[in-house]
Amino acid sequence: GAGVSQTPSNKVTEKGKYVELRCDPISGHTALYWYRQSLGQGPEFLIYFQGTGAADDSGLPNDRFFAVRPEGSVSTLKIQRTERGDSAVYLCASSSHRGGEQYFGPGTRLTVT
Amino acid sequence: ILNVEQSPQSLHVQEGDSTNFTCSFPSSNFYALHWYRWETAKSPEALFVMTLNGDEKKKGRISATLNTKEGYSYLYIKGSQPEDSATYLCASPTQGTYKYIFGTGTRLKVLA
Repeated sequence: GAGVSQTPSNKVTEKGKYVELRCDPISGHTALYWYRQSLGQGPEFLIYFQGTGAADDSGLPNDRFFAVRPEGSVSTLKIQRTERGDSAVYLCASSSHRGGEQYFGPGTRLTVT
Repeated sequence: ILNVEQSPQSLHVQEGDSTNFTCSFPSSNFYALHWYRWETAKSPEALFVMTLNGDEKKKGRISATLNTKEGYSYLYIKGSQPEDSATYLCASPTQGTYKYIFGTGTRLKVLA
């Protein structure tokens, strides 16, 4: 079956612009995670959804970052007023249940110029 | 603050050698420890989810052990092959949450 997909694969935007990153999890997976990965670092937790609700958003760095999952499937990570420091690979992962192994998408490479 | 640490940072081994690396985590209020393999230009792939002290898991030539009392897990690769070259990540959730903290990974290069 299909794995986790993310679009776009690459996004280049100017400082101050708004971007949306999309994640399509594996069908039926209730848990969805967003991570950010910078060069030489492991994935950094941003937010965790269980179903439609954000069960833990403590990793979002500031109020410019927001994520939704309105129907409990597709999720969108939204970044307002992008800054150069937001440049990173944004990874999405889904899991069939809380605490289960996570299946990762290929990531979106965001570059803010 | 939960710190998940991995060592060594990078490792070069010859084809056929066996190798191992370490993931350490705070032992108090342990919940789970995940291992992932991340090959260049691919998505991280789950290897093991470990929850019980003394757990040993195996997948082909790769195995892992868990010591929750002292806060470490070892990942072993027997008879390394070039296709084992990847970054190996471990992750554990902070107490009472599903906020997974990842280590910085061990970058393995197997030389043919």
